[in-house]
Amino acid sequence: EAGVAQSPRYKIIEKRQSVAFWCNPISGHATLYWYQQILGQGPKLLIQFQNNGVVDDSQLPKDRFSAERLKGVDSTLKIQPAKLEDSAVYLCASSPLGLAGDYEQYFGPGTRLTVT
Amino acid sequence: GENVEQHPSTLSVQEGDSAVIKCTYSDSASNYFPWYKQELGKRPQLIIDIRSNVGEKKDQRIAVTLNKTAKHFSLHITETQPEDSAVYFCAAKVSTDKLIFGTGTRLQVFP
Repeated sequence: EAGVAQSPRYKIIEKRQSVAFWCNPISGHATLYWYQQILGQGPKLLIQFQNNGVVDDSQLPKDRFSAERLKGVDSTLKIQPAKLEDSAVYLCASSPLGLAGDYEQYFGPGTRLTVT
Repeated sequence: GENVEQHPSTLSVQEGDSAVIKCTYSDSASNYFPWYKQELGKRPQLIIDIRSNVGEKKDQRIAVTLNKTAKHFSLHITETQPEDSAVYFCAAKVSTDKLIFGTGTRLQVFP
């Protein structure tokens, strides 16, 4: 099966600019996650969708970050305006919603964001 | 709060030796504990996982143990090989299916 797709793979922007990332999960996966992974750290969940509804966005900096998952498939994550500390890899993951006990999250290749 | 602690942060072993990475979680309702391997510049890849209804699981050279009472779980890699060199992350699933990740262990296997 095709994996989780993300684009772009790399992005360099100046602080105060805006940027958007795109994710296409594995077909049929109901749950989609956006993680931020700062260099040398573990992934930190930003937002979790189940179909097109938000399950958890407690760690999403809502003053500058936004995300949507229209039609319960693809998702976009936006940062506006970007700060230097937003430099990180943004990982998208999907899972089948724990049906039949399958909790595995499948990660995309990530988008490496550098804010200068 | 929800927290996963992971130790050590770095681990160097000789090829053929064993490596052990330990994690502690805080949410007693956690019932799923995956381990991910992340090579430099690549995505995290699941290598093994364990659910709270078992105490140990093994897959060839990799094993994971879980102590629910102590809220500890560990990854054991035997007969290490240079290709095992990577960053390993433990994680614990909390009630919303969210994974809380540890801080990672950089494993270096020297030939």
